[in-house]
Amino acid sequence: RKEVEQDPGPFNVPEGATVAFNCTYSNSASQSFFWYRQDCRKEPKLLMSVYSSGNEDGRFTAQLNRASQYISLLIRDSKLSDSATYLCVVNWADTGNQFYFGTGTSLTVIP
Amino acid sequence: NAGVTQTPKFQVLKTGQSMTLQCAQDMNHNSMYWYRQDPGMGLRLIYYSASEGTTDKGEVPNGYNVSRLNKREFSLRLESAAPSQTSVYFCASSEAGSSYEQYFGPGTRLTVT
Repeated sequence: RKEVEQDPGPFNVPEGATVAFNCTYSNSASQSFFWYRQDCRKEPKLLMSVYSSGNEDGRFTAQLNRASQYISLLIRDSKLSDSATYLCVVNWADTGNQFYFGTGTSLTVIP
Repeated sequence: NAGVTQTPKFQVLKTGQSMTLQCAQDMNHNSMYWYRQDPGMGLRLIYYSASEGTTDKGEVPNGYNVSRLNKREFSLRLESAAPSQTSVYFCASSEAGSSYEQYFGPGTRLTVT
């Protein structure tokens, strides 16, 4: 089985804090990487794709380290609305359209 | 523009009963997927359809069948439900290719007793 591993947390951080999540994957023949966000009892929604050079979207920064086979998500200036589960998703080149999801990291931002 | 819709939202089955979960998308996407989500397991791919007329097994296909009825609709059938199939089922769609965002439906919560 292709493995995508995440620390399940929970991460409980105060508003305004910076928090980082890591995700490791098992196979070096990986092709595409994503972070999805899932609110309680809701469907996952794309937060951001992760590009080889790293990318930023407002308070969110994603990094990819192919040599060490991990991706990271950094959230700056945490808001209460950031409370959710963050899912790491990997697609491998040899599996075509198959996407593998990590179990998710739970974040709660505390007032 | 409804995105991805799923029916039903909730279902309780007895062991051995059959049912079909329906999924439809209005985004003209080529690819569609069925996942199940269990506590501590993450989402696991059951079946997918890269394009109309094709279906392929994912990671956990046993006990399920699918039909890509047309470009919009992709159904998942449980022929003889088992308690191990108690889960939340999500349908998703995307443009063809691995670098595209998947759009998920709201999910079906299935309990098999």
